[in-house]
Amino acid sequence: KAGVTQTPRYLIKTRGQQVTLSCSPISGHRSVSWYQQTPGQGLQFLFEYFSETQRNKGNFPGRFSGRQFSNSRSEMNVSTLELGDSALYLCASSLELAGDNEQFFGPGTRLTVL
Amino acid sequence: DQQVKQNSPSLSVQEGRISILNCDYTNSMFDYFLWYKKYPAEGPTFLISISSIKDKNEDGRFTVFLNKSAKHLSLHIVPSQPGDSAVYFCAATLYSGGGADGLTFGKGTHLIIQP
Repeated sequence: KAGVTQTPRYLIKTRGQQVTLSCSPISGHRSVSWYQQTPGQGLQFLFEYFSETQRNKGNFPGRFSGRQFSNSRSEMNVSTLELGDSALYLCASSLELAGDNEQFFGPGTRLTVL
Repeated sequence: DQQVKQNSPSLSVQEGRISILNCDYTNSMFDYFLWYKKYPAEGPTFLISISSIKDKNEDGRFTVFLNKSAKHLSLHIVPSQPGDSAVYFCAATLYSGGGADGLTFGKGTHLIIQP
């Protein structure tokens, strides 16, 4: 069974631009969660999507948004990029809502904002 | 405010000895705890978990201990092997109700196993 895949793996953008990251969950998994990993803050929860609906949201500004499609694939969008958005963005999938189920992580997208 | 804290950024242990990684949390509502292991350029992989109704869970060389009164958990790896060298993240969540805030992670501890 294929694991969680994320595209692109690496991305370089400049301040003010916007970016869209993609995540394909493990087949059959209905929940997709997004996390930001930075050296200073560690892994921080962004949001979780389940059945095309955002179920949970972390403490991030509205510039961070996402969506989930009917095939459970998810995209995350960051608008008006700031230097501090440079991070590894991880996506994780689980069969049902993440709190009740083990999450499987993708390799991440490394975003660099110049 | 860091709700899950891993106060040791790195830990060096000799091969064959016991590795003990510590984690403290402040939110008494957390009732499910997990440890993840992360190699460079890969996403975290689940290692072991424990529910708040238990104080110990064992899986092979890995044992997690939970002290609810102290809001402290630890991961024991024995014996430590070179392949255990990685960053270990402690995470906590509200298990019941579907995890209201997703997983809250510590900043990680880089475990280095020396031959």
